[in-house]
Amino acid sequence: GESVGLHLPTLSVQEGDNSIINCAYSNSASDYFIWYKQESGKGPQFIIDIRSNMDKRQGQRVTVLLNKTVKHLSLQIAATQPGDSAVYFCAEKTGFQKLVFGTGTRLLVSP
Amino acid sequence: DTEVTQTPKHLVMGMTNKKSLKCEQHMGHRAMYWYKQKAKKPPELMFVYSYEKLSINESVPSRFSPECPNSSLLNLHLHALQPEDSALYLCASSQVPPGRVERSPLHFGNGTRLTVT
Repeated sequence: GESVGLHLPTLSVQEGDNSIINCAYSNSASDYFIWYKQESGKGPQFIIDIRSNMDKRQGQRVTVLLNKTVKHLSLQIAATQPGDSAVYFCAEKTGFQKLVFGTGTRLLVSP
Repeated sequence: DTEVTQTPKHLVMGMTNKKSLKCEQHMGHRAMYWYKQKAKKPPELMFVYSYEKLSINESVPSRFSPECPNSSLLNLHLHALQPEDSALYLCASSQVPPGRVERSPLHFGNGTRLTVT
């Protein structure tokens, strides 16, 4: 769901489970998307990116899926670990415009 | 560890003080950025330098003054700040500036936690 006030949407999973973090983006003309991970006290860390001419891209333990029809982006994390606990932001870019960040999702991984 | 280095990590300043935040990257990136991030919110763009020239100013108050001395360094000069300016200030760099057709991700530093008293 969407964040309200100071409350971030939160996804709680058990260690070893697969996690799926979702992002609805706003602009159908966006052609580049990035996922960032932000741990407490640190800056956003680049995870993976995807261009609009692709619908899937895989990295190490992560997969990004892009559905342009419904303007939806997801980040799948395989075998989630406690170190994956963080806030995850999606970001979209349209043409020559600036990168726009989504509101963020907190991932909590219990051992 | 991040390849974008920011100093100081923490800064407390009064409303009449003048201070500067510093950022350095040695990845050969040609665009550098300042973002402001409040708790539980996404980063908000403040300034972009492309090839050492200011290319984007997101209507930031003049009490924030950016400077790009060379392609590796970015400063943010602070003067007469307000308590509501307290936030995490993030520096980022990218290989390709925003106004180009090519796409490259932003790489962030760990930020300066600023408290204005």
